[in-house]
Amino acid sequence: DQQVKQNSPSLSVQEGRISILNCDYTNSMFDYFLWYKKYPAEGPTFLISISSIKDKNEDGRFTVFLNKSAKHLSLHIVPSQPGDSAVYFCAASEGGANNLFFGTGTRLTVIP
Amino acid sequence: GAVVSQHPSWVICKSGTSVKIECRSLDFQATTMFWYRQFPKQSLMLMATSNEGSKATYEQGVEKDKFLINHASLTLSTLTVTSAHPEDSSFYICSAPRGPGNEQYFGPGTRLTVT
Repeated sequence: DQQVKQNSPSLSVQEGRISILNCDYTNSMFDYFLWYKKYPAEGPTFLISISSIKDKNEDGRFTVFLNKSAKHLSLHIVPSQPGDSAVYFCAASEGGANNLFFGTGTRLTVIP
Repeated sequence: GAVVSQHPSWVICKSGTSVKIECRSLDFQATTMFWYRQFPKQSLMLMATSNEGSKATYEQGVEKDKFLINHASLTLSTLTVTSAHPEDSSFYICSAPRGPGNEQYFGPGTRLTVT
C-alpha cells in the first residue's frame, strides 16, 4: 500500500519558468516530509524538508509547501534551470522515525 | 562531497552465487543505516534497518535469510544477497541519518545484475 504518492510521473517546464511537483500522502501520522533529487544510477540527494508544524519552507530556488488538511505537499522550483532535470522523490516519516516512505517519483525535464 | 559510500557501484553475478554490498558513512558514525531497493520506474522501497550491535529489522515481505545484513561497525553496514536469482537484479541503495532532522544521506547505489 503506497502511503506516499506522486501522481505525475513526468513534468516538462521551460527554463526560467516555475516547476511545481506534487505529492500526496495517506498516513496522518507523518510529521516530517522531505524532497530528494535523483539522477540515474545515483543515490538520492536531499533537497529540502519541512516539519508538520510549518506550512512553508524556503531554500533558495526551492520552496516546499505543506497542506496538512489535504495531506498534500508540493515543491516549487523557480526559476527552473536545465540542471534541475532529474527525478524528484518526496518522502515522509512518522514520529521521528528514521525510515522514510517514498513516493514513486516525478521526472522533471527543464527545456532550455 | 559524498558522506555515504557504497561498494561496488555495479556487479554482475551468476545465479546461485552470493554478493556482498558495503555501505560506509564517511565522516560520521551511524548506529542505524537503511537498505533500499529500487526497480525500474518504481519508488525506493525500504528493505531493512541495519542496527549497529544488534540484529537488523526487516520490512514485511523481505526474506532475512536471503538478504543478510551485518552492521559491523559504526561506519559500516553490509548487505549480502545470498543465492542470487535474476529476480534479485535491482538497484540497491543504503542511507544513513545525519544531523538534527531526518535528513538521510544516501549512497550512490549498487546496480546488481544476476545472470
